[in-house]
Amino acid sequence: QVQLVESGGGVVQPGGSLRLSCAASGFAFSSRAMHWVRQAPGKGLEWLAFIRSDGSRQYYANSVTGRFTISRDNSKNTLYLQMTTLRAEDTALYYCAKCGTTPYVDSWGRGTLVTVSS
Amino acid sequence: DIQMTQSPSTLSASVGDRVTITCRASQTIHSWLAWYQQKPGKAPHLLIYKASTIESGVPSRFSGSGSGTEFTLTISSLQPDDFATYYCQQYSSYPYSFGQGTKLESK
Repeated sequence: QVQLVESGGGVVQPGGSLRLSCAASGFAFSSRAMHWVRQAPGKGLEWLAFIRSDGSRQYYANSVTGRFTISRDNSKNTLYLQMTTLRAEDTALYYCAKCGTTPYVDSWGRGTLVTVSS
Repeated sequence: DIQMTQSPSTLSASVGDRVTITCRASQTIHSWLAWYQQKPGKAPHLLIYKASTIESGVPSRFSGSGSGTEFTLTISSLQPDDFATYYCQQYSSYPYSFGQGTKLESK
């Protein structure tokens, strides 16, 4: 079955950087577009970024454009989110998410927690 | 950017009730809308995509309707397992966006 396992979260100071990874298994990773979505503590879902199956195009939320970069390595079945210039408001649980036949999310990871604090 | 607005934000209901949640888009999204259920401490779970297509394995008491800018999620007969928070999401144009959520609680 589909498994998405995020890693790389932790505590980072404001202005710092972090790279999240998502190891995918149970499906043809190179054939599916992927998303990152986050959820701040006690808040709703926020879509962050999308990458096509071949990595050729990426799209971002306004809140992270220029600071976050989504990428993938299809040879390693892994999705990444490089985060720079982190702010307190970036504190959240970050989910890796698999696209269905069109860009809705049909599978979610369990998330990795990022805390931005001095 | 497309804004998604759900109503109500909180809904109190009883087991057996018919429940409807509304999601409105600030501009047309055709039928590119999904609904998700999230329980506390868990990842969201897909219920409906393309506005009205039910995901495999989702109970038939869930249904979705609408197109353009107004959409609804209906639970025909509320079950104890359905108390959760529900989100709509548009995937018509970037940046994709979620509604703020509707918390369905027991009356």
